[in-house]
Amino acid sequence: AQSVTQPDIHITVSEGASLELRCNYSYGATPYLFWYVQSPGQGLQLLLKYFSGDTLVQGIKGFEAEFKRSQSSFNLRKPSVHWSDAAEYFCAVGVIAGYKLIFGSGTRLLVRP
Amino acid sequence: DAGVTQSPTHLIKTRGQQVTLRCSPKSGHDTVSWYQQALGQGPQFIFQYYEEEERQRGNFPDRFSGHQYPNYSSELNVNALLLGDSALYLCASSFSGTSGGASTDTQYFGPGTRLTVL
Repeated sequence: AQSVTQPDIHITVSEGASLELRCNYSYGATPYLFWYVQSPGQGLQLLLKYFSGDTLVQGIKGFEAEFKRSQSSFNLRKPSVHWSDAAEYFCAVGVIAGYKLIFGSGTRLLVRP
Repeated sequence: DAGVTQSPTHLIKTRGQQVTLRCSPKSGHDTVSWYQQALGQGPQFIFQYYEEEERQRGNFPDRFSGHQYPNYSSELNVNALLLGDSALYLCASSFSGTSGGASTDTQYFGPGTRLTVL
């Protein structure tokens, strides 16, 4: 069965520090992978997506993610975190592009001033 | 260009009642998916509508039903509400096209409807 694991429930980083959020997926075929961000009480905003091609994908707000097939991972990174990045981050796998998304349980990012 | 819109923003119901949530997709999109997000959890897929038909369904009981209109807008109906139905209900839209195949586009989410069942 398809699944997504985000092992870190909470992560706290200092403003200006680098960030890496982990995501591991379980899926038999080539996955369609996404990272979304959710501010409190809000909907989900797409940060970036991987469908095929270059395994390092760039997104909005300075985020990037790297697809590693051998590790079944799609970790999200940012070189320098801003206070406004504090939010909940969700990794998701698309069973077929445009069909249902399976989400991880999320990682809440706290940013220390 | 308007994004995905949902109404109402908040809703309070009592157990046993019925509720209807509404969603208008992003301009140019023809496919609508619904998700339920319980507090502290990731969204869970309820179902997807394309060409006014349910194309795919998640592991939700028949109390959850939907509809899609010719203008691509959609409704989510929940009957016989339970306390456990309290959640944020998210609508997402995407583009499938006339081929009817899987969309190659991305799902864009609305702000959600917060449903509280007392």
